[in-house]
Amino acid sequence: SQQGEEDPQALSIQEGENATMNCSYKTSINNLQWYRQNSGRGLVHLILIRSNEREKHSGRLRVTLDTSKKSSSLLITASRAADTASYFCATESSGSARQLTFGSGTQLTVLP
Amino acid sequence: SAVISQKPSRDICQRGTSLTIQCQVDSQVTMMFWYRQQPGQSLTLIATANQGSEATYESGFVIDKFPISRPNLTFSTLTVSNMSPEDSSIYLCSAVGPSYEQYFGPGTRLTVT
Repeated sequence: SQQGEEDPQALSIQEGENATMNCSYKTSINNLQWYRQNSGRGLVHLILIRSNEREKHSGRLRVTLDTSKKSSSLLITASRAADTASYFCATESSGSARQLTFGSGTQLTVLP
Repeated sequence: SAVISQKPSRDICQRGTSLTIQCQVDSQVTMMFWYRQQPGQSLTLIATANQGSEATYESGFVIDKFPISRPNLTFSTLTVSNMSPEDSSIYLCSAVGPSYEQYFGPGTRLTVT
């Protein structure tokens, strides 16, 4: 089964609102990474959070990690139409050789 | 961050043929990987491309179907052999940066008819 499960599968919001996406995983991890993928394009790396970190910020992005619950969340504040994309979490499991296991993704639509 | 390019960006191929995808990183990296993304799905790891030795394949992927080369620290190829329509996917290579972020190429969109 998938290491990472994301919810919601799809999210539609108005421009200016905040968007929150959640990711759950099953095994111990070294780090968790979030990516954005615009339709038919490659993956853009957004942020990496290590297992000993609880929160990280980058611009309008805020990522939290709760290793006791094996979950992470990605918050995009003041969303824009350009944020419309699929968002994936990916985990690097402890003991792995840097391989990533991807979640199922959240399709975010920001309406102008 | 590492800049990764892939060639070709897309291709339409006939059943039974093979396609080789090239991946070039703009700096030396230790780890490179190949992933597949089937239509509407998430990414699945195919294999780790090991420099100077045979690739390490994930369950469900075999060398005869997806031979991989990595002759140096900046370049790798993935061949999709004896293609069938089920191989229609986006194929992405990735490389691990110095702080363990994994960067991805733009992908190769393959359609098999």
